[in-house]
Amino acid sequence: NAGVTQTPKFRILKIGQSMTLQCAQDMNHNYMYWYRQDPGMGLKLIYYSVGAGITDKGEVPNGYNVSRSTTEDFPLRLELAAPSQTSVYFCASSQIAGDEFFGPGTRLTVL
Amino acid sequence: AQSVTQPDIHITVSEGASLELRCNYSYGATPYLFWYVQSPGQGLQLLLKYFSGDTLVQGIKGFEAEFKRSQSSFNLRKPSVHWSDAAEYFCAVGEDSSASKIIFGSGTRLSIRP
Repeated sequence: NAGVTQTPKFRILKIGQSMTLQCAQDMNHNYMYWYRQDPGMGLKLIYYSVGAGITDKGEVPNGYNVSRSTTEDFPLRLELAAPSQTSVYFCASSQIAGDEFFGPGTRLTVL
Repeated sequence: AQSVTQPDIHITVSEGASLELRCNYSYGATPYLFWYVQSPGQGLQLLLKYFSGDTLVQGIKGFEAEFKRSQSSFNLRKPSVHWSDAAEYFCAVGEDSSASKIIFGSGTRLSIRP
């Protein structure tokens, strides 16, 4: 099993550009999550999904969109990148509470 | 709203010394509580979790945590730290009974003095 994979590992965007952060898991988990982690801070939940076709907002959803067309994939979309979105983004999945498996992260810089 | 507070931003302890990292939560019902560790450049790894039952929870890597309802605390402890324990530690609380959303504290960075 690969676990939770994220691509790309690093990305630099210009203000106003758009991009999609990819996340995939091969553990057949129902729950998937997107977090952002700013320097010296904890994780903030952006969006989460409890199953294919179902998504919901977390603490900091503004500026992002998600979709969950399959159990395996949970991409995060940035439509108009802003410097405030410079962060490390972590995708995670779980089947039960607390057993979250985290991906390695995507480091995004918006200039 | 549920929240979790880690009052110590950075702690330094000597190798072999004992460790206690503080965590306080705010939640109306019985919380679902977690401790995660993050090594530099890595994702988070679950150390231990509390849902119900015995208030002293054992985790991986020799860590334990004690749930104290009267103090709204879930402090993480280790009797003797190793240099490899240097990392960032996050306390988290499950927001509802399904715990499908977990709220993280801001973290405590642990440094180990040789």
